[in-house]
Amino acid sequence: QSALTQPASVSGSPGQSITISCTGTSSDVGDYNYVSWYQLHPGKAPKLLIYDVNNRPSGVSNRFSGSKSGNTASLTISGLQAEDEADYYCYSFSSSISYVFGTGTKVTVL
Amino acid sequence: QVQLQESGPGLVKPSETLSLTCTVSGGSISGYYWSWIRQPPGKGLEWIGWIYYNGATNYNPSLQSRVTMSVDTSKNHFSLNLYSVTAADTALYYCARYIPVTQKSLDMWGQGTMVTVSS
Repeated sequence: QSALTQPASVSGSPGQSITISCTGTSSDVGDYNYVSWYQLHPGKAPKLLIYDVNNRPSGVSNRFSGSKSGNTASLTISGLQAEDEADYYCYSFSSSISYVFGTGTKVTVL
Repeated sequence: QVQLQESGPGLVKPSETLSLTCTVSGGSISGYYWSWIRQPPGKGLEWIGWIYYNGATNYNPSLQSRVTMSVDTSKNHFSLNLYSVTAADTALYYCARYIPVTQKSLDMWGQGTMVTVSS
């Protein structure tokens, strides 16, 4: 079972919007609406940003939004801020191995 | 506020067993699914498996032959055992809780504990 595919890096200027893709297969992203997104800062606990494709937990900024089309899910960060510089991972339920993470994306704020 | 804290040896010898515990505070372990995840240095996250508060488990097939998880509701903690470790098991190990709504996302995480496999 391969990890979901994400771009290694994405960058943007403050105030801009960026989108991170997460491509899987019909056994995971394509067949289930159970994609979630996580933000990782070094030395801190990972943070859930989006669950079940497009739902935001209480307390998460509405600058983060999620969507899905076919086998690809996406996380959009609007109004990019310096504090958004971090690693981002998608995660999906999978019929083959139960759960699988994406390869991870490093977001740089220019 | 629920908090999770991983604990265990930071150094394990090759071929031995890696044992970690995740202690849950500020809330009950009962009624939830719990998970272990790891991240080797410079690499991505890998799902290790989940355990339900009643002891039911599900493991990543790539690790299934070497992993066991257990739960102790009286101590409000759950544990991970990874057998016959090699250098490839060197990683930052996280414990996490599945969101109660759909139980398919991880809403609470520990800060992680680094485990190095070396003689």
